[in-house]
Amino acid sequence: NAGVTQTPKFQVLKTGQSMTLQCAQDMNHEYMSWYRQDPGMGLRLIHYSVGAGITDQGEVPNGYNVSRSTTEDFPLRLLSAAPSQTSVYFCASSYGTGWETQYFGPGTRLLVL
Amino acid sequence: AQSVTQPDIHITVSEGASLELRCNYSYGATPYLFWYVQSPGQGLQLLLKYFSGDTLVQGIKGFEAEFKRSQSSFNLRKPSVHWSDAAEYFCAVGAGTASKLTFGTGTRLQVTL
Repeated sequence: NAGVTQTPKFQVLKTGQSMTLQCAQDMNHEYMSWYRQDPGMGLRLIHYSVGAGITDQGEVPNGYNVSRSTTEDFPLRLLSAAPSQTSVYFCASSYGTGWETQYFGPGTRLLVL
Repeated sequence: AQSVTQPDIHITVSEGASLELRCNYSYGATPYLFWYVQSPGQGLQLLLKYFSGDTLVQGIKGFEAEFKRSQSSFNLRKPSVHWSDAAEYFCAVGAGTASKLTFGTGTRLQVTL
């Protein structure tokens, strides 16, 4: 099992550009989520999904879109990047929507100029 | 809403010394409590979790944590630290569904030889 994979590892964007952060898992997990990690602020939940076709907002959803067309993939879209979106982004998955262990990807470091 | 406080931003200990990382939470009912570890450049890995039952929880890598309801605390301990334990440690509290996982701001552990 590859676990949770994220691409790219690092990306530089200019303000106003769009991009998609990819996340995939091969553990047949129903629950997937996106977090951002900023210095001194821990991890904050952006969006999450409890299964294919179902998504919902987390704590900091503004500026981000998600979709879940398959169990395996959960991409995060930035439609018009802003410097405030400079961060490290982590994708996570777990077997269920309860409190099973969440497995994290290695992260994507995003810099918006 | 729940919240988590990790009062120590940075801790330095000598290899072989004991370790205690503090975590205080705020939640009206019995919470779900977690400790995650993040090695440099990596995603987060679950060390241990508490849902109910025995208040002393054993985790991986020789870590343990004790839930103290009266003090709203869930401190992480290790009797003898190894240089490989140098990392950032996050306490998290959950309520309701997994979408309500709230992370603390983290404690960075440095281990001196």
